[in-house]
Amino acid sequence: GENVEQHPSTLSVQEGDSAVIKCTYSDSASNYFPWYKQELGKGPQLIIDIRSNVGEKKDQRIAVTLNKTAKHFSLHITETQPEDSAVYFCAASIRRDDKIIFGKGTRLHILP
Amino acid sequence: EPEVTQTPSHQVTQMGQEVILRCVPISNHLYFYWYRQILGQKVEFLVSFYNNEISEKSEIFDDQFSVERPDGSNFTLKIRSTKLEDSAMYFCASKPSGAGAGELFFGEGSRLTVL
Repeated sequence: GENVEQHPSTLSVQEGDSAVIKCTYSDSASNYFPWYKQELGKGPQLIIDIRSNVGEKKDQRIAVTLNKTAKHFSLHITETQPEDSAVYFCAASIRRDDKIIFGKGTRLHILP
Repeated sequence: EPEVTQTPSHQVTQMGQEVILRCVPISNHLYFYWYRQILGQKVEFLVSFYNNEISEKSEIFDDQFSVERPDGSNFTLKIRSTKLEDSAMYFCASKPSGAGAGELFFGEGSRLTVL
């Protein structure tokens, strides 16, 4: 089955700087890659996603890149703010109706 | 904004007891899921449910687990005889038809503590 690896497990970034989180996936049939943000005591919430027919997608301060050949995808957060502090999960999904498989998560700390 | 709601938010139970976790998915959604997250670890898939039957389940979802959609709104996860290692946060999620692969809407979770 699909396996998603995520790095780093913890990331501390000065407020205003950029943060990058990287993931790899194992199943070349995966075609959908969402990123979820989990704040303390809450469920994961989708922040951005990318499909396999696209190499990059941007939404304000957040961007995601996908390299299908290398089976890598990354989340980039620019101009980080205190409210960006959370746990971020990458995930992969093969089929429209299939489950999504999560990475282990990255705890992002934005330092004042 | 519509949201997935889960009850209870926290349940403490003795090992060997039965537990039922309840979820009300978003009303026009057709696909339902349960995930669990052991403290500090990743979110793990348990089961997916569509058209009143299980569409897929993981190795974690053994005979002690069952799911049910008893009416048009609730989606429940039952653990028949809880074990210590069942202690975790359980998340319900739902997805509408046609929303595209993988976009799941999660509830805030039910924390289960097994003593």
